[in-house]
Amino acid sequence: AQSVTQPDIHITVSEGASLELRCNYSYGATPYLFWYVQSPGQGLQLLLKYFSGDTLVQGIKGFEAEFKRSQSSFNLRKPSVHWSDAAEYFCAVGTNTNAGKSTFGDGTTLTVKP
Amino acid sequence: DVKVTQSSRYLVKRTGEKVFLECVQDMDHENMFWYRQDPGLGLRLIYFSYDVKMKEKGDIPEGYSVSREKKERFSLILESASTNQTSMYLCASTPGQGAKNIQYFGAGTRLSVL
Repeated sequence: AQSVTQPDIHITVSEGASLELRCNYSYGATPYLFWYVQSPGQGLQLLLKYFSGDTLVQGIKGFEAEFKRSQSSFNLRKPSVHWSDAAEYFCAVGTNTNAGKSTFGDGTTLTVKP
Repeated sequence: DVKVTQSSRYLVKRTGEKVFLECVQDMDHENMFWYRQDPGLGLRLIYFSYDVKMKEKGDIPEGYSVSREKKERFSLILESASTNQTSMYLCASTPGQGAKNIQYFGAGTRLSVL
């Protein structure tokens, strides 16, 4: 069965500092990978996705993620964090089922210090 | 833009009440999902539906039921609400089958059962 692990429950960075959120997946076939962001009191919104091709993918809000098959990882990065990036971030892997389900990690909460 | 609308942002109910959470999507999506989100536990799938009148149990269906009489609407029902069902409930939809489906989320309903 597929699974997604986000090792960091909570990360604090200073505004303007770089950010990396970790995601490891377990999936038998070619993974389809997603990062979502949830701002306080809101639903989840897609940041970026990886299906195939270039292993470095760009998303919205200046985020990028790199797929590394050898490490089963799909880490999210941003060169310079803004206060508005404070949110919860979820990594997910798509499952090849009849309903287009995804398996989500438990999330990483990002706090941004002034 | 896909819009997934949950009828209530906040609900307060009493133990033993029958509770209905409503979700509507406007993009003719095939699949709809109900999750609950609790601190430290990530997103847990309650039920999903891949067609009108079709439903499948997710990971934590106990104490819940669902109804999908029309393609655009997916209702979550708490037959007899209990305090341990106090949580944030998220509805999502996806267009079709397979692992490449992006999940589109509503803003969530925060339910308190007293």
